Amino acid sequence: KNEVEQSPQNLTAQEGEFITINCSYSVGISALHWLQQHPGGGIVSLFMLSSGKKKHGRLIATINIQEKHSSLHITASHPRDSAVYICAVRDYRDDKIIFGKGTRLHILP
Amino acid sequence: NAGVTQTPKFRVLKTGQSMTLLCAQDMNHEYMYWYRQDPGMGLRLIHYSVGEGTTAKGEVPDGYNVSRLKKQNFLLGLESAAPSQTSVYFCASSPDEKLFFGSGTQLSVL
Repeated sequence: KNEVEQSPQNLTAQEGEFITINCSYSVGISALHWLQQHPGGGIVSLFMLSSGKKKHGRLIATINIQEKHSSLHITASHPRDSAVYICAVRDYRDDKIIFGKGTRLHILP
Repeated sequence: NAGVTQTPKFRVLKTGQSMTLLCAQDMNHEYMYWYRQDPGMGLRLIHYSVGEGTTAKGEVPDGYNVSRLKKQNFLLGLESAAPSQTSVYFCASSPDEKLFFGSGTQLSVL
């Protein structure tokens, strides 16, 4: 079983829809990251969370430490949001950073 | 401040050849990581370092070696390349909690 599970694996939605991507993890963590990767492109850090909720523009990330779960929301989605969104956690025991397999998001105009 | 720089960006090797990938960061970060990214597998940790002179194994360390002789540099070596090591390699560094990535190295082993 993977230590970091993301769902869904693939998501296609219409422009303007509210998007939710989920991440569950099984280890104790010191931080959780949400990252974005465009096709053929590099990896960009969107958020780092250790508790609560963060918002940046149309992106919102939440984390529930007790339930070992995080969500990434995109409001008023746009075709330029099409990318792979990746969840990663830092294991507090050894500082390893472990990644989920990513969610491929495609927003249709 | 150049961030995280990976060299080379592309490389083609023949089976059995050796090479070294360099990751350099100018942000004085303690933590550095090497990952490989393969279709359908996500990013998998090869080796990592929590400070100068230290290294540790990740999920898929076999066939790779690393060194962190200077704080700013984290080297990934392939002693005898195999076709299974064809992948995109990413380096990341972290001061504590934030993550910064290099632009990736596309490696093909024929």
